[in-house]
Amino acid sequence: DAMVIQNPRYQVTQFGKPVTLSCSQTLNHNVMYWYQQKSSQAPKLLFHYYDKDFNNEADTPDNFQSRRPNTSFCFLDIRSPGLGDAAMYLCATSSGETSGGIYTQYFGPGTRLTVL
Amino acid sequence: AQTVTQSQPEMSVQEAETVTLSCTYDTSESDYYLFWYKQPPSRQMILVIRQEAYKQQNATENRFSVNFQKAAKSFSLKISDSQLGDAAMYFCAYRSARGTASKLTFGTGTRLQVTL
Repeated sequence: DAMVIQNPRYQVTQFGKPVTLSCSQTLNHNVMYWYQQKSSQAPKLLFHYYDKDFNNEADTPDNFQSRRPNTSFCFLDIRSPGLGDAAMYLCATSSGETSGGIYTQYFGPGTRLTVL
Repeated sequence: AQTVTQSQPEMSVQEAETVTLSCTYDTSESDYYLFWYKQPPSRQMILVIRQEAYKQQNATENRFSVNFQKAAKSFSLKISDSQLGDAAMYFCAYRSARGTASKLTFGTGTRLQVTL
């Protein structure tokens, strides 16, 4: 089945130790998004890629970076995690072309990041 | 900037009964899309139903239907014949029709409990 896969599902890191979260998709979608969702809050968009074009949200801290080496994979790098970065990180994809006129986003299961 | 408001942090419904979740939004745009996403505990976010703003007809997906009032900027979700599996956090989301990779703006969510 076509899907959005995130690895690992749970990640524990130490304060200040770089960490990389992975997302892959078999939907062949042009667009990949990274959201941060803190406990009991709505997801907040960090950035997205349209093909190879990177689009950063204005309020995303510099501590967060992303790479998209090919259509299928996208990585979220947190260079120096702080305690406030503990959250669920959601990857989502959408087609850059119309699909019934609506660009629905499809979400992965998320990676829960704990910072010690 | 667009905003999405879900004024009910928690709702409860008995199995087989009907429940309505509220959502209002603020936008100056005339063309956009609205979504309801469901996020079960520790599971991934999935699309429940979507609505194009230019369509007057309310969207329906099996037991799920919406009441879209464009002038009032209201987009409520009705769940009929509630089932235990409907228990989840429900997020209302807005997406501009401009651009092919426009972000989703989420409300703060409504946690739905389903009781026997």
